[in-house]
Amino acid sequence: QQQVKQSPQSLIVQKGGIPIINCAYENTAFDYFPWYQQFPGKGPALLIAIRPDVSEKKEGRFTISFNKSAKQFSLHIMDSQPGDSATYFCAASKSGNQFYFGTGTSLTVIP
Amino acid sequence: EPEVTQTPSHQVTQMGQEVILRCVPISNHLYFYWYRQILGQKVEFLVSFYNNEISEKSEIFDDQFSVERPDGSNFTLKIRSTKLEDSAMYFCASSSKLAGIGELFFGEGSRLTVL
Repeated sequence: QQQVKQSPQSLIVQKGGIPIINCAYENTAFDYFPWYQQFPGKGPALLIAIRPDVSEKKEGRFTISFNKSAKQFSLHIMDSQPGDSATYFCAASKSGNQFYFGTGTSLTVIP
Repeated sequence: EPEVTQTPSHQVTQMGQEVILRCVPISNHLYFYWYRQILGQKVEFLVSFYNNEISEKSEIFDDQFSVERPDGSNFTLKIRSTKLEDSAMYFCASSSKLAGIGELFFGEGSRLTVL
């Protein structure tokens, strides 16, 4: 059973565009929702994370929107740059230990 | 900046052979993890380790897998008898707190190829 579903699988945007990546989860016990950025040949790196007690969190050009009732959360990248080209993973966790990752979204930002 | 280091970066082995993947977590971290990523697929949790014992493990982490912290700094993943389907990128991660509360720091991974 896939605990976290992520879409789209790949995304191509022009520089300055606003790519949006969506995730949905099943388990209402999840209480921590991070997004990870992964460049080729590197490990995932934490980008931004949110807890279910807020509906939005913004850090720089990255924003998470969280809809608890719909069990969905999304990542928005404002004013996207070619350097943002990477694979993005959403994840969910219940009180630590095990993270459940989405299947990843390959983002390409065209100059 | 402190980082998680992993060795080897790539290992090729024959099916049935034992493999040990090594990790040096960030020095003041207390929680350690192994994840794997089959090429092009999602990152999957294998095991978490705290206070010198396994705190949680997934269905993937069966009897052929084991973890150890032999000397207080290294954190190893052993695969006793490798299978073709064990071919993947294995990531070690560490955290100063439970991963749902503190940031999880990943290493660059060890690519395992089983022939």
